[in-house]
Amino acid sequence: EVQLLESGGGLVQPGGSLRLSCAASGFTFSSHEMNWVRQAPGKGLEWVSYINTNGKSIYYADSVKGRFTVSRDNGKNSLYLQMNSLTVEDTAVYYCARDSGWCPDFWGQGTLVTVSS
Amino acid sequence: DIQMTQSPSSLSASVGDRVTITCRASQGIRNDLGWYQQKPGKAPKRLIYAASRLQSGVPSRFSGSGSGTEFTLTISSLQPEDFATYYCLQHNSYPSLTFGGGTKVEIK
Repeated sequence: EVQLLESGGGLVQPGGSLRLSCAASGFTFSSHEMNWVRQAPGKGLEWVSYINTNGKSIYYADSVKGRFTVSRDNGKNSLYLQMNSLTVEDTAVYYCARDSGWCPDFWGQGTLVTVSS
Repeated sequence: DIQMTQSPSSLSASVGDRVTITCRASQGIRNDLGWYQQKPGKAPKRLIYAASRLQSGVPSRFSGSGSGTEFTLTISSLQPEDFATYYCLQHNSYPSLTFGGGTKVEIK
């Protein structure tokens, strides 16, 4: 069974940093591109970042470019999102989502990041 | 950037009703579109990919159609478990993805 389990969310002050993790199981993690998608409270879904299978091709939404860094460790079946210079607008549930060759097929349950003083 | 306009933003319907949700792309995206269902506090679940292909395990009352700039998700006979929010997602500008604004389906 495909499973994606995010962790690392929490309360952080504006300007602070946080590192999210996504642990994958039930499939060959190294064979799949991965995405981060977020959802602000009561709002819609927003794509954040993409990383290819070997971690050498990376893309970001303009809203996070220069502040967020995505990475992966295929040996640990894990995806990461380093978030720096956080603002209140970054408050959201962050999901990791597996790419399928079409649109993402499986999503984790999400981890909540709250940026507040 | 490709924009996705989803309508309506909300609708009220009864069990057994036929429901149709539309997404329009700001430019042609072939069939690079998926549909997702999200229930409160849960992750999105893929229903449809490639505009019209049904995800394995998803009931056949869900169907998708369209190509180019106009797409439709249809629920042929609304069931109690279908009350949720639905999103379209374009991946023509891969790897950048764009979601529609969502449609909340509520009980009439």
